[in-house]
Amino acid sequence: AQKITQTQPGMFVQEKEAVTLDCTYDTSDQSYGLFWYKQPSSGEMIFLIYQGSYDEQNATEGRYSLNFQKARKSANLVISASQLGDSAMYFCAMRDENSGYSTLTFGKGTMLLVSP
Amino acid sequence: SAVISQKPSRDICQRGTSLTIQCQVDSQVTMMFWYRQQPGQSLTLIATANQGSEATYESGFVIDKFPISRPNLTFSTLTVSNMSPEDSSIYLCSVEDLLGTGKLVANYGYTFGSGTRLTVV
Repeated sequence: AQKITQTQPGMFVQEKEAVTLDCTYDTSDQSYGLFWYKQPSSGEMIFLIYQGSYDEQNATEGRYSLNFQKARKSANLVISASQLGDSAMYFCAMRDENSGYSTLTFGKGTMLLVSP
Repeated sequence: SAVISQKPSRDICQRGTSLTIQCQVDSQVTMMFWYRQQPGQSLTLIATANQGSEATYESGFVIDKFPISRPNLTFSTLTVSNMSPEDSSIYLCSVEDLLGTGKLVANYGYTFGSGTRLTVV
């Protein structure tokens, strides 16, 4: 079974600073995908960034980058130049491809608060 | 990427009643997923719905409590039956979708509806 661990229940950062949100995973699969989603207080889930297990380069999407360390089984999200609108819940997730179809397993999430 | 319209966005319901949540996708999709997010918790997959077949439920979820319909490739409903306060959660539908990452090789991820915030009193 796959497992996602996010050890930081909450993180605080000042506006314009960078912040790293931790995510470690456990899987016996060789091929998997890792995702980060943002959930504002409104409840919607917003896709941020994706990293495939065979991707040699770390994924980047604008201010978001993923620090992928395969040997350590970690996929930390780095947000550069934090903005007040970044305050939200952040979930790390992994694609499960063992069941014949693809589903997502989510971590417990990290609440990020950005202060002025 | 796909656009999902999920209704209702929120509701307050009496215990013992049922609520049906709808998700309409602007394109045809093979699989739709339904998730529950209890207060302060992560997302848990309830079931996967394929058009033309019965939904596949995850451990801990049963069809009698969460009946799902999937009449075509763009629409699905989830009903929360005989509700109790423990059913108070956010319910989200999701579809597999092309990621808008701009990469040359298409990667598939997941797009979510805006969620239904259910409170049972």
